[in-house]
Amino acid sequence: DAGVTQSPTHLIKTRGQHVTLRCSPISGHKSVSWYQQVLGQGPQFIFQYYEKEERGRGNFPDRFSARQFPNYSSELNVNALLLGDSALYLCASSLGWRDWSSGANVLTFGAGSRLTVL
Amino acid sequence: LAKTTQPISMDSYEGQEVNITCSHNNIATNDYITWYQQFPSQGPRFIIQGYKTKVTNEVASLFIPADRKSSTLSLPRVSLSDTAVYYCLVGGSDNQFYFGTGTSLTVIP
Repeated sequence: DAGVTQSPTHLIKTRGQHVTLRCSPISGHKSVSWYQQVLGQGPQFIFQYYEKEERGRGNFPDRFSARQFPNYSSELNVNALLLGDSALYLCASSLGWRDWSSGANVLTFGAGSRLTVL
Repeated sequence: LAKTTQPISMDSYEGQEVNITCSHNNIATNDYITWYQQFPSQGPRFIIQGYKTKVTNEVASLFIPADRKSSTLSLPRVSLSDTAVYYCLVGGSDNQFYFGTGTSLTVIP
């Protein structure tokens, strides 16, 4: 079975531009979440979607937005890029949402999209 | 706000047991604790998850004291391939997920 796939793997943008990152979850997983990982730091939570609804949002500005499609894939959009947005953007999928006791909330991560803003 | 802190780095010899502790003083009642392993240029990989007391699987054990303000990941008999960064994750009763600062483990031959 395919794991979580993300595209593109690498991209370079300039300040002020817009970027769209894409994520395909593991088949059967209905939840997708996004994380920003700056070099040398732990992942920072951006969004979680479950059944196409936003279920959680981290402390990120409104320049960051996301959506989940009927096939459970997801897009992360970042507008008006800043130098500080340079990071590895990770997508993770899970079977469920808030279902911790069964293990349905265990996250499976993709390899990430490396964004460089010049 | 459940913030998590971990030691920045640890060294261990091959074959030793390694214990990595994560502090999460503000953990909420319904939060679970999960540990992940990350290699360079890869996404984190699930190791183990628990709520309280002790959990064991085929690769690790997780110890959580009664007050749940910390957790300890135990890796038995580490090998060179265990050299990686280890993160604890606390979440998400409030629909938030908090990764720790990460512990870089280096296994020495």
